[in-house]
Amino acid sequence: DTAVSQTPKYLVTQMGNDKSIKCEQNLGHDTMYWYKQDSKKFLKIMFSYNNKELIINETVPNRFSPKSPDKAHLNLHINSLELGDSAVYFCASSQRGPRRGSDNEKLFFGSGTQLSVL
Amino acid sequence: SQKIEQNSEALNIQEGKTATLTCNYTNYSPAYLQWYRQDPGRGPVFLLLIRENEKEKRKERLKVTFDTTLKQSLFHITASQPADSATYLCAPCESWGKLQFGAGTQVVVTP
Repeated sequence: DTAVSQTPKYLVTQMGNDKSIKCEQNLGHDTMYWYKQDSKKFLKIMFSYNNKELIINETVPNRFSPKSPDKAHLNLHINSLELGDSAVYFCASSQRGPRRGSDNEKLFFGSGTQLSVL
Repeated sequence: SQKIEQNSEALNIQEGKTATLTCNYTNYSPAYLQWYRQDPGRGPVFLLLIRENEKEKRKERLKVTFDTTLKQSLFHITASQPADSATYLCAPCESWGKLQFGAGTQVVVTP
């Protein structure tokens, strides 16, 4: 029943490893996002996809690569993990991308993946 | 650079009172603003959206105002209940697809 589900919930790994976080939404939404929430609780947008097309790519190291096999899935792959990558990563979706201020543009978030790099 | 400022100190309030949270933004011209609630260990949940041409929006015990001159939004929880305890995030939206969030203000409602 979960609208936006992401796995795993916790990810503990060593520096230098490569890891992936998966996200799936069953809401039929066109737009999906990855956000990073750091220790100061700021939620920063990383990527956004609309119908499998990348539309937002913030200043994120190219070690982070999103992949959208279809519009219901948006995965995040991280290469060569660093200590500073430790954070909570949230996947989200919306029916449409934020633009005109309609309720279709509200975001539905997953429950987050807490990544700890040791 | 763009900034979204919310009071970083927790707001402690007695049950039944009104909680008022502030969201100030600089170097933004948002067409609208969203408010979300986040509980520990969970993702944010959408509460309200207010457009730049709307001065005020209400939903049950929640009220949001939006003053584009002051570059500020106020979020009110009236008749607060312990279940309202959470962190509240504001998110002004300017360009397509880019919703940026403030760090949030924690509200603690005591019985």
